Amino acid sequence: DTEVTQTPKHLVMGMTNKKSLKCEQHMGHRAMYWYKQKAKKPPELMFVYSYEKLSINESVPSRFSPECPNSSLLNLHLHALQPEDSALYLCASTQDRFSGGYTFGSGTRLTVV
Amino acid sequence: KQEVTQIPAALSVPEGENLVLNCSFTDSAIYNLQWFRQDPGKGLTSLLLIQSSQREQTSGRLNASLDKSSGRSTLYIAASQPGDSATYLCAVTPNNNNDMRFGAGTRLTVKP
Repeated sequence: DTEVTQTPKHLVMGMTNKKSLKCEQHMGHRAMYWYKQKAKKPPELMFVYSYEKLSINESVPSRFSPECPNSSLLNLHLHALQPEDSALYLCASTQDRFSGGYTFGSGTRLTVV
Repeated sequence: KQEVTQIPAALSVPEGENLVLNCSFTDSAIYNLQWFRQDPGKGLTSLLLIQSSQREQTSGRLNASLDKSSGRSTLYIAASQPGDSATYLCAVTPNNNNDMRFGAGTRLTVKP
């Protein structure tokens, strides 16, 4: 298995909703990442988990809450989002945090209404 | 801080043409460099990964070169096809325990 699987592919949520994005990999990678990408821009790093511990939080608002239940799973919990949070959310993984060689998922297209 | 630049920002070519996409980076102390393809609204697909000790990598019609000392990489696409139309992103992993840095991408259109 050489894939990163993200669900759901599309999500529409209201500003008062609570929802979660899910990411899964079975490559034995020990680092997992959440990126946010706006249209026609490169991905922006949000969170990094290394060996299931949060290593970096790039000043992301608290309405985004990451969780790494085990070495294969990464969740992003969403609450009280704003319309400007609408974007493509990408998950990625690497063998180790600074090894490079990223594998990305197909993304979740999030629309906040 | 590592900065990654991709030129041109957009490129339109007729089908069958050979083309080169450029990527430059400011700090030559890199661990590796990776080229990605992204179709609109989709995730990133890894095309080629070049380790710092390598000069080039090839996959089918794609060839990526790396010149660490000059801070440059090129992605060569031979005999372009309309299906090659996408945004191509270059990303550098520094060797100083910093996370990967992306270029802004080159948006390629191949016209039939």
